[in-house]
Amino acid sequence: DQQVKQNSPSLSVQEGRISILNCDYTNSMFDYFLWYKKYPAEGPTFLISISSIKDKNEDGRFTVFLNKSAKHLSLHIVPSQPGDSAVYFCAASPETSGSRLTFGEGTQLTVNP
Amino acid sequence: GAGVSQSPRYKVAKRGQDVALRCDPISGHVSLFWYQQALGQGPEFLTYFQNEAQLDKSGLPSDRFFAERPEGSVSTLKIQRTQQEDSAVYLCASSHIRLARLETQYFGPGTRLLVL
Repeated sequence: DQQVKQNSPSLSVQEGRISILNCDYTNSMFDYFLWYKKYPAEGPTFLISISSIKDKNEDGRFTVFLNKSAKHLSLHIVPSQPGDSAVYFCAASPETSGSRLTFGEGTQLTVNP
Repeated sequence: GAGVSQSPRYKVAKRGQDVALRCDPISGHVSLFWYQQALGQGPEFLTYFQNEAQLDKSGLPSDRFFAERPEGSVSTLKIQRTQQEDSAVYLCASSHIRLARLETQYFGPGTRLLVL
């Protein structure tokens, strides 16, 4: 039972363009969502988060959008840079479970110079 | 360094062997998590400590998996009688509890376990 799904295993974009990574979830108890970025041989690094009371959160080049009715969130990176090439994981947590995170399968983003 | 460290970084074990994986969290971090990441998948929750108390171990896949954090800092994940399906990257994460409900989890580089 995959409660958090990232349906695109990979995404390739040109430097300077927008990258849009998508994530869907099924558990209506999830109320906090995060994006992590992972380089090879390193652990995931926190990127940005959003609470279910909001529908948008922005931090520099990174913006996360949350559509609760569709149980969908997306990460926008504008403009994309070659250093953004990494695996991006969507994660979610329900209030009742404390800080336990449920992750998606990840999307490999490649930004071409 | 100031980050989460894990050792060993790589471990090759023969099937049936016991292994112990170590995690040194960020100093002062109260919460500690273990996750298992199979190839091509996202991390999956195993267990969670707050200080020395193991508050959630619902993600441990079998009774061959055991975790401890006796002094509320360093943690060890032990796998007894390893099986090939235990091959994965084991990630440790820590966070510092403040008033906010959900804290950012800081991950270590992981231990890659290969069971032959």
